[in-house]
Amino acid sequence: AQRVTQPEKLLSVFKGAPVELKCNYSYSGSPELFWYVQYSRQRLQLLLRHISRESIKGFTADLNKGETSFHLKKPFAQEEDSAMYYCALNFPGGTSYGKLTFGQGTILTVHP
Amino acid sequence: NAGVMQNPRHLVRRRGQEARLRCSPMKGHSHVYWYRQLPEEGLKFMVYLQKENIIDESGMPKERFSAEFPKEGPSILRIQQVVRGDSAAYFCASSPTGLGSNEQFFGPGTRLTVL
Repeated sequence: AQRVTQPEKLLSVFKGAPVELKCNYSYSGSPELFWYVQYSRQRLQLLLRHISRESIKGFTADLNKGETSFHLKKPFAQEEDSAMYYCALNFPGGTSYGKLTFGQGTILTVHP
Repeated sequence: NAGVMQNPRHLVRRRGQEARLRCSPMKGHSHVYWYRQLPEEGLKFMVYLQKENIIDESGMPKERFSAEFPKEGPSILRIQQVVRGDSAAYFCASSPTGLGSNEQFFGPGTRLTVL
């Protein structure tokens, strides 16, 4: 069965420092991977998806099929990046298409 | 577009009562997903519905839980005879199609507390 692991429940960095939120997955095929973010008192929203190869709010994520990872990175963290981050996976095909499997989430705190 | 609406935002029930959670998808979206988040855990898929059809209910507990998405009106997640273990946040998401690459738009969630 597919699984998503975010090994860090809490991550603290100082403003301006690089940040990397780890995400590993288990799936034998070609998954579709996403990062969702939940800011304080807001609803969960999409941050980026690997197929778009885009950078949103300075964040990037590269799919590494060899290591089955999809780590989220930002070179210079800002205080407004403090939030809960979820890595999510979807595997194409079958009736489960569209269903997301989420990691447990990482709470990022950026200190001034 | 008001986004995905869920109500109530908070629901308190005593053991044995029924809980009804409602989700109105974004305008133009006909695909609805329900997820449950237990304390200290991530979101877990429960059920995927299109209008009048259940597409995938592999994440639904076998008993007491049911879901529907009628032709008119919101999607309903119904929990009969609630137990303390049902206390959780229930999130609804919608998308315009069932393609996995599509963004899912989430509602604010309903926090169910079972006394």
